Amino acid sequence: QTVVTQEPSFSVSPGGTVTLTCGLSSGSVSTSYYPSWYQQTPGQAPRTLIYNTNTRSSGVPDRFSGSILGNKAALTITGAQADDESHYYCVLYMGSGLSNWVFGGGTKLTVL
Amino acid sequence: EVQLVESGGGLVQPGGSLKLSCAASGFTFSGYWMHWVRQAPGKGLFWVSRIDTDGSSTTYADSVKGRFTISRDNAKNTLYLQMNSLRAEDTAVYYCVRGGHGLNYFDYWGQGTPVTVSS
Repeated sequence: QTVVTQEPSFSVSPGGTVTLTCGLSSGSVSTSYYPSWYQQTPGQAPRTLIYNTNTRSSGVPDRFSGSILGNKAALTITGAQADDESHYYCVLYMGSGLSNWVFGGGTKLTVL
Repeated sequence: EVQLVESGGGLVQPGGSLKLSCAASGFTFSGYWMHWVRQAPGKGLFWVSRIDTDGSSTTYADSVKGRFTISRDNAKNTLYLQMNSLRAEDTAVYYCVRGGHGLNYFDYWGQGTPVTVSS
């Protein structure tokens, strides 16, 4: 069974840059997995940040960017702000058949 | 403005059934794939099921296949999730989610409806 991996936690200083990653337990992430990223604060519904590897969703500031770094998808936050403190989830499209979309376990980002 | 409003959640005993609904507005509902995604208490997101634009094609996560059925009524702009043989591990907030056009992602999320499976 495919597992999508994310760092459980990360911290960044205000104004700093952080890169969160999204990998596979077996194999490499490529654009063919259509990686996308979601932000969720406690008690709220998720918000779409990035789709199709590197396309920002409407209204998302350009300090959020997506890419492929090595064998993983990556979400980079440049100039982190206090309200970026959230959980971040990636999801990969596994193709047709069962369990088409698989989420990573999420990364809890702390800004301090 | 895109709006997705879920309803139908609640407390149900193990082995019981529940049907969730999601009322969509602010966009052409019949033009989009739709999904259900759930989140167990204190846990991460989990994709449950997807339906295509006219309801002719559906897919499910392994853990719910054979127990859950996704459907839609495009005339009523409403998405459904019929959940049977419910288990404690199905306890979660269930989100109705619009699929992004052709690019295999999720673009708009409802606020979710909580489901608790407990005796």
